[in-house]
Amino acid sequence: GENVGLHLPTLSVQEGDNSIINCAYSNSASDYFIWYKQESGKGPQFIIDIRSNMDKRQGQRVTVLLNKTVKHLSLQIAATQPGDSAVYFCAEIASGGSYIPTFGRGTSLIVHP
Amino acid sequence: DGGITQSPKYLFRKEGQNVTLSCEQNLNHDAMYWYRQDPGQGLRLIYYSQIVNDFQKGDIAEGYSVSREKKESFPLTVTSAQKNPTAFYLCASSIGVFVNEQFFGPGTRLTVL
Repeated sequence: GENVGLHLPTLSVQEGDNSIINCAYSNSASDYFIWYKQESGKGPQFIIDIRSNMDKRQGQRVTVLLNKTVKHLSLQIAATQPGDSAVYFCAEIASGGSYIPTFGRGTSLIVHP
Repeated sequence: DGGITQSPKYLFRKEGQNVTLSCEQNLNHDAMYWYRQDPGQGLRLIYYSQIVNDFQKGDIAEGYSVSREKKESFPLTVTSAQKNPTAFYLCASSIGVFVNEQFFGPGTRLTVL
């Protein structure tokens, strides 16, 4: 249910390792996806996006993979740094629907020096 | 600098009082949004506005009200009817609802005493 647990899924990694953060989305009609990063006490910041006609998109140190068959999205961060520590959200948008993003609960990434 | 600002950063109110959270953007965006964020949960949409003088309820609009008299401003009033108002409130804007990479403000943390 909505109030199951107050704790986010957490991923702990060592500095320099690669991180993979996963997101399962719910709407098979969603065709645009965004990853956001939210540092403690701040608003989310855009990281990278991907449309459903792609299965991979790369940015600087980040890669997003989309598997529409199983409705799964992942964010890969290469050579993770302490400054990457934050909560990461995926958002799904159905362009044939309301266009309003639906956000996941988020994953807390902790990078140990 | 273009951006989206929210004030105040921290807000305290007594039970039974209405309080208004400010959100201003100078990005010339048509669409603006209000979200509520609780610990361990994703962002939940309160209200959104596609154009001036128009706004729509989101998933959790009860106990909240908004206005959109100017393009750059979208204030949110948390009324005494909101049963559990203590939360982190995020305002966002996008070029339009149909081009919806959202830019977020820094948030306002509201605490009801």
